[in-house]
Amino acid sequence: QVQLVESGGGGVQPGRSLRLSCADSGLTIRNYGMHWVRQAPGKGLEWVAVISYDGSNKWYADSVKGRFTISRDNSKNTLYLQMNSLRPEDTAVYYCAKGQGPYEWGAMDVWGQGTTVTVSS
Amino acid sequence: QSALTQPASVSESPGQSITISCTGTSSDVGGYNYVSWYQQHPGKAPKLMIYDVTNRPSGVSNRFSGSKSGNTASLTISGLQAEDEADYYCSSYTSSRSVVFGGGTKVTVL
Repeated sequence: QVQLVESGGGGVQPGRSLRLSCADSGLTIRNYGMHWVRQAPGKGLEWVAVISYDGSNKWYADSVKGRFTISRDNSKNTLYLQMNSLRPEDTAVYYCAKGQGPYEWGAMDVWGQGTTVTVSS
Repeated sequence: QSALTQPASVSESPGQSITISCTGTSSDVGGYNYVSWYQQHPGKAPKLMIYDVTNRPSGVSNRFSGSKSGNTASLTISGLQAEDEADYYCSSYTSSRSVVFGGGTKVTVL
């Protein structure tokens, strides 16, 4: 059973960087595409990025393109999100989610509990 | 990457049925059978309820069903129960190889 645990969230000043991690404590996520999804306080879900099972394909929301980088280390069953040039509007709970298949399409069938990122001076 | 359009709220009495719409374009909902629906209770992570327009994951009640016509997808909850009170989000794969969510619908069981 896949269980996803996010970490790395916290408070940070605008313009600084933060790296989120998502570890699979159950079986393995190496055969699946993986997503990051965020939710600002009191707002809806916003898709952030997706990476294919082997890391060869990565796609981003326009709102984070050029600032955020998604990556994975399949030897460690871990997904990452490097967030640079953070803005107050990046404040949100960040969820990692497992795709049903190896690529960027398809539903997200397992979600982590989320990690909170607060960008404020 | 404009959000899919959902009604902000839907209310109904226990035992009744509701349908939540999710309207997109031919570049997302209308162009692919990769529409999903998620349920989110306050303070909790989203839960997948419907995938690929009409399919239910194992363990999801058969009171939940999905459909699509043109650029609009729908989630129907029949035999409404108190535990169904939550926020519901649709999502779709898009032609720009991204994912887009709807704005969310708050379901209230009266």
